[in-house]
Amino acid sequence: GENVEQHPSTLSVQEGDSAVIKCTYSDSASNYFPWYKQELGKRPQLIIDIRSNVGEKKDQRIAVTLNKTAKHFSLHITETQPEDSAVYFCAGGRDDKIIFGKGTRLHILP
Amino acid sequence: SQTIHQWPATLVQPVGSPLSLECTVEGTSNPNLYWYRQAAGRGLQLLFYSVGIGQISSEVPQNLSASRPQDRQFILSSKKLLLSDSGFYLCAWSVLGTGELFFGEGSRLTVL
Repeated sequence: GENVEQHPSTLSVQEGDSAVIKCTYSDSASNYFPWYKQELGKRPQLIIDIRSNVGEKKDQRIAVTLNKTAKHFSLHITETQPEDSAVYFCAGGRDDKIIFGKGTRLHILP
Repeated sequence: SQTIHQWPATLVQPVGSPLSLECTVEGTSNPNLYWYRQAAGRGLQLLFYSVGIGQISSEVPQNLSASRPQDRQFILSSKKLLLSDSGFYLCAWSVLGTGELFFGEGSRLTVL
C-alpha cells in the first residue's frame, strides 16, 4: 500500500521568508496529492492539491510541485505571515483512499 | 450545503470498556466515508474507509471496527478499549472520485 513520508517535522521561518515542506510517496499508481492545514484545536482543511497529470500548481502565496519520476512533491509558502503558523499535512493516494504524512509544525517567527 | 456531524466531542473511558463514535453527513448522497486517528507524532492514520453501505475497508489491524448502517452514517466501535486507543478521531467524507476530504470536528478519546 501507499506510504507517505514528510519532512521536516518542525520548521521555523522568519516572517516574510519562504517555507518549503517535502514529501515522498511509495505507490507509483497514486494520482492525487493534497495538502491540508490544521490550526490548533481545529479540523484539517484542504489548502491546495495536485493531480499526477500536472507538475506544478499555484494559488496566491502557496504552490505545490510534483515529480512523478522521483515520487516526491513539495509545498512552497512565500511571504509567510503569522497566520501561516499551523500543522501542515501532505497526503497521497488513488481510488479515494488517501494516506497522510506525519505532519510539519510550521512556526512563523516575528 | 453539505455538513458533517461527529459525536461525542470528548470521551474519557476506562480500559476494557466499549466505544461508539458516530458520524453523519448531510446534504449529499453516497459519500465516501473515512475514520482517521490523530496521535501525537503519528499524523493522520487511516483506520477505515467505506465507499458504500456495508462496504468497509480496514487499514490497520486493531481492536477497532467500523460499520455503515446507512448511506450517510459511519460508526467506529470497540468492544474493549486499550490505553493505546487514546487519540483524536476524525471522521471525513468525500465525493466519489474527487479525493478532497471534508473533516468533522473530531472526537478526543482518553483511555485511562
